[in-house]
Amino acid sequence: DSGVTQTPKHLITATGQRVTLRCSPRSGDLSVYWYQQSLDQGLQFLIQYYNGEERAKGNILERFSAQQFPDLHSELNLSSLELGDSALYFCASTVDGRRANEQFFGPGTRLTVL
Amino acid sequence: GDSVTQMEGPVTLSEEAFLTINCTYTATGYPSLFWYVQYPGEGLQLLLKATKADDKGSNKGFEATYRKETTSFHLEKGSVQVSDSAVYFCALTKTSGSRLTFGEGTQLTVNP
Repeated sequence: DSGVTQTPKHLITATGQRVTLRCSPRSGDLSVYWYQQSLDQGLQFLIQYYNGEERAKGNILERFSAQQFPDLHSELNLSSLELGDSALYFCASTVDGRRANEQFFGPGTRLTVL
Repeated sequence: GDSVTQMEGPVTLSEEAFLTINCTYTATGYPSLFWYVQYPGEGLQLLLKATKADDKGSNKGFEATYRKETTSFHLEKGSVQVSDSAVYFCALTKTSGSRLTFGEGTQLTVNP
């Protein structure tokens, strides 16, 4: 158990819908990362937050957005869902975005868009 | 941009066989290198890491050496077990705390 929790574990929805994925980092970790794992794209970095502020952006679609709240949990919002958004979404955390050398991963949320 | 390339899989071995999974990278500067493992239905776990050239990372019988001259970080294990069956990802970061760039992943199956 990495100490990073993600909810829900599974999510099944329809095209055009909007969903929210939630991540709680390890206790004391200030930095949260979101990754998408799909069969055709592999594991790709989406976005990073550090202590409530966006720090880095990767291959995140405009239909996707994220935020980190004062209690340090993070949410990833996916809207106008398409079939191709079906994937495993992982969240990871580290204690300090600048000094960290290891990211701890949650178990992931499996999103299926029908 | 930065990239990581892993040997094509899947890899199937018998128990106690020797394992090598090749990993090469393209990056400027001095990235840190990692091997992560993903067991079925679980998230990624750090297996080992190396932060500078010629460093050797090791854990649970697995080893990998950071070779800057060949831009490689190949994963090896002398004697695999059925419990090692998983997907293995090679990855890099450019600076501490920055994003991980992953390879494609290699599915390893070990048969008894």
